Amino acid sequence: KQEVTQIPAALSVPEGENLVLNCSFTDSAIYNLQWFRQDPGKGLTSLLLIQSSQREQTSGRLNASLDKSSGRSTLYIAASQPGDSATYLCAVRRSGGSNYKLTFGKGTLLTVNP
Amino acid sequence: DGGITQSPKYLFRKEGQNVTLSCEQNLNHDAMYWYRQDPGQGLRLIYYSQIVNDFQKGDIAEGYSVSREKKESFPLTVTSAQKNPTAFYLCASSWGWAGLMNTEAFFGQGTRLTVV
Repeated sequence: KQEVTQIPAALSVPEGENLVLNCSFTDSAIYNLQWFRQDPGKGLTSLLLIQSSQREQTSGRLNASLDKSSGRSTLYIAASQPGDSATYLCAVRRSGGSNYKLTFGKGTLLTVNP
Repeated sequence: DGGITQSPKYLFRKEGQNVTLSCEQNLNHDAMYWYRQDPGQGLRLIYYSQIVNDFQKGDIAEGYSVSREKKESFPLTVTSAQKNPTAFYLCASSWGWAGLMNTEAFFGQGTRLTVV
């Protein structure tokens, strides 16, 4: 059974700092990994999708890496801003057969202080 | 605008009532999903559908039912058999999982269901 762990559970940083969020998964047989952002009381916003054959994806100040063999992904946020404050979730989609299911971590709650 | 619309945003259910949560997408996606989110537990899959007129149980399907009569619609009914329905419900959609298709998942804004 796939398990996804996100560390730390919460992180507070001053504005302007670069930071890294971690995601680990137990089964390396994944099709892709997706990072999401969730604001309080809202739905999930897709940030980055990394296919299993890729090593990293970039979008603006965000960079996500994937090391499938070690079961790890990181989300790097450059020059953090108060508007980045949210919960960040990673999810993996299994490969093969019925690769319908996204398995989620519990998220990292990020607070960026002005 | 393309996207996923969930309604209502807030829903209150009395004990013993069935309630239906709406999910509509105009992304032309084949696959649709329902997740439940509880504090400290992350998202858990309730039901999913790969194609019209077909759906499968997820990890926590007991006390829920769905239908998929149209490609764009995937309503979720929370029945009286669901003993602890108070939660945040999220609907998602994606392209199918065949071959090289992009399976990026997109989510609606959620429905918060409370039992009163």
